Amino acid sequence: EDKVVQSPLSLVVHEGDTVTLNCSYEVTNFRSLLWYKQEKKAPTFLFMLTSSGIEKKSGRLSSILDKKELFSILNITATQTGDSAVYLCAVLNNAGNMLTFGGGTRLMVKP
Amino acid sequence: EAQVTQNPRYLITVTGKKLTVTCSQNMNHEYMSWYRQDPGLGLRQIYYSMNVEVTDKGDVPEGYKVSRKEKRNFPLILESPSPNQTSLYFCASSLPGLNQPQHFGDGTRLSIL
Repeated sequence: EDKVVQSPLSLVVHEGDTVTLNCSYEVTNFRSLLWYKQEKKAPTFLFMLTSSGIEKKSGRLSSILDKKELFSILNITATQTGDSAVYLCAVLNNAGNMLTFGGGTRLMVKP
Repeated sequence: EAQVTQNPRYLITVTGKKLTVTCSQNMNHEYMSWYRQDPGLGLRQIYYSMNVEVTDKGDVPEGYKVSRKEKRNFPLILESPSPNQTSLYFCASSLPGLNQPQHFGDGTRLSIL
């Protein structure tokens, strides 16, 4: 059975801190790994990673995938209160039709 | 504005009373999917559709039906809802192709009493 595990479950930091969120996976047919940010409503897409070792960056957020060790990290530098959310990691299967999600990491950034 | 629209956003109902949650997207996406989100279990896929008239089961399809008669709409049907279907439901869609991210609706919170 495909499995995606995120850690930590939750995290409280102060503005300006740097955080690293982890996602490990065990899937039979891996295509790509995706990160989403979920505030109060819909998950919003952050990154899609398909190749190992290539960092994807968007402002203060960056992510990288290690297909040998089967994990990904999401880094957020200089955190702001607006970064407070649940961050979801998901793995897309080879056929491109099924996403398996991890349980999420709840990040709270205090002023 | 490109979006995935779900209705209703909130519903409280009783066991056994058939209900339908609608999902519509205006992006001409071929792929659509339904998820439920429960505390500690994350998002789990219920059904998905690769195109019109093509639907397949996800990880947790029991107790649900879907249909895809038109590209833009993908309703989720609970023929006889039960309390264990109380959850937050999300519809998502994406373009065809293996590297297209899914875009999610705002969610529907269902409470089955």
